[in-house]
Amino acid sequence: NAGVTQTPKFQVLKTGQSMTLQCAQDMNHEYMSWYRQDPGMGLRLIHYSVGAGITDQGEVPNGYNVSRSTTEDFPLRLLSAAPSQTSVYFCASRRLVAATGELFFGEGSRLTVL
Amino acid sequence: SQQGEEDPQALSIQEGENATMNCSYKTSINNLQWYRQNSGRGLVHLILIRSNEREKHSGRLRVTLDTSKKSSSLLITASRAADTASYFCATPQGFTGAGSYQLTFGKGTKLSVIP
Repeated sequence: NAGVTQTPKFQVLKTGQSMTLQCAQDMNHEYMSWYRQDPGMGLRLIHYSVGAGITDQGEVPNGYNVSRSTTEDFPLRLLSAAPSQTSVYFCASRRLVAATGELFFGEGSRLTVL
Repeated sequence: SQQGEEDPQALSIQEGENATMNCSYKTSINNLQWYRQNSGRGLVHLILIRSNEREKHSGRLRVTLDTSKKSSSLLITASRAADTASYFCATPQGFTGAGSYQLTFGKGTKLSVIP
């Protein structure tokens, strides 16, 4: 079982460049989400989706774009990278059940913006 | 905004000792989850405790929940070097009935178990 797969694992960008972080899950989970993890800040929710064609903003959505065309994939786009977006990004998914769904995480994508 | 706050931020113990981590949260919840993160890896779910439960066990893990104090604790008994990791509590925010809630995480407790 692959679970949640994120690519790339590492990426270095220059300020102003754009890129897409890929996330795929093979568990048929309706819910998918993106978090960023920064030292001393814990995990903060960027965007989430409760199904194909449905996305919504989390706590820190500015500078990021998402779409959900299939159940399996939930890419995160950085439109114009800034040094403040240097972080480790985690994709996570779960079943859309009432309150007790455990989140399954990918291994993370470490992004550095110069 | 973050809901849960873990305490202490860092904890260092000898192998074989027990490790206790605490989590405080701000608003009413119907469950609380604990996750572990090994260095450089993704988070892994450990245990979930519902609001009508006071204590739950899973192997060497014991979790308590005190809804009146809005706090939870995670106890790892007879710790091993392999338990070295960061531990996070997580609580659901938003409408939980239809499953469209969001999990918010605390900043974590970094546990070091010295062989």
